Amino acid sequence: DIQMTQSPSSLSASVGDRVTITCRSSQSISSFLNWYQQTPGKAPKLLISTTSTLQSGVPSRFSGSGSATTFTLIISSLQPEDFATYYCQQGYSTPFGFGQGTRLEIK
Amino acid sequence: QVQLVESGGGMVQPGRSLRLSCAGAGFSFSSYALHWVRQAPGKGLQWVALMSNDGSQTSYANSVRGRFTIARDNSKNTLSLEMHRLRSEDTAMYYCASGRIVPVLEYWGQGTLVTVSS
Repeated sequence: DIQMTQSPSSLSASVGDRVTITCRSSQSISSFLNWYQQTPGKAPKLLISTTSTLQSGVPSRFSGSGSATTFTLIISSLQPEDFATYYCQQGYSTPFGFGQGTRLEIK
Repeated sequence: QVQLVESGGGMVQPGRSLRLSCAGAGFSFSSYALHWVRQAPGKGLQWVALMSNDGSQTSYANSVRGRFTIARDNSKNTLSLEMHRLRSEDTAMYYCASGRIVPVLEYWGQGTLVTVSS
C-alpha cells in the first residue's frame, strides 16, 4: 500500500500569513493527489483534485503543486475560515490512503 | 443540490453486524463512483471501500476486507455497507462520498456514527 505523510502535523499561523503544507507519498503517484479541508464536526470538503485543479467555489488563495512523490498545498493569505484540518489523499491505486492530517490553528 | 445522507449507525457489541445506508440525490447517481470513508474519534480519515459507478468494481481497505461488503442500487440511488464481525477499532464516523472521477471524493455526506462496545 502507498503511505502518505504530511508535514507539519500541526501549524500555528496568523490571519494574512502564507502557509505551506507538504504531502509525501511512499512511491510515485504521478499527479493523483487530492486535498481536503475539514472543520470540527463537519464532513471533509474537496479543495483541490489531481494536484492543482481548484474545485468550484474554492477561493483562489488556495493552490496545489507537485508531482511524483512530493506535493504542496499553499494558502497565500490565511483567512479566519481557513483554520481547519487539511488532508491529502492519493488516487493512484487502491487503497486510496489519506495523510494523517495537518491541523492549522490560530496563533 | 447534491445530497448524500447516511443512516444505520448506532452502538453494537463486538462480533455483531451492522448495515449502513447512504441515499443520494441531486446528481446523476449512476454516473458516480461511491466510497465509504471513516474517522475514529479524534483521528484522521481512513478510506474504507469503493464501488464503481456501474457496480462492476469494488475495492476495500486491508483492515475491512472479508468483513465488510459495499453494494449499490442505482435504481434507488442508494449505497450500503454491510459490516460483520465488528471490532472495537471499527468505532468511527462513517461517511459516504461520491465522485465522477473514481479517486476524487467530490461530495460527502454528514456521516453516521458506529460505536462497537460491549
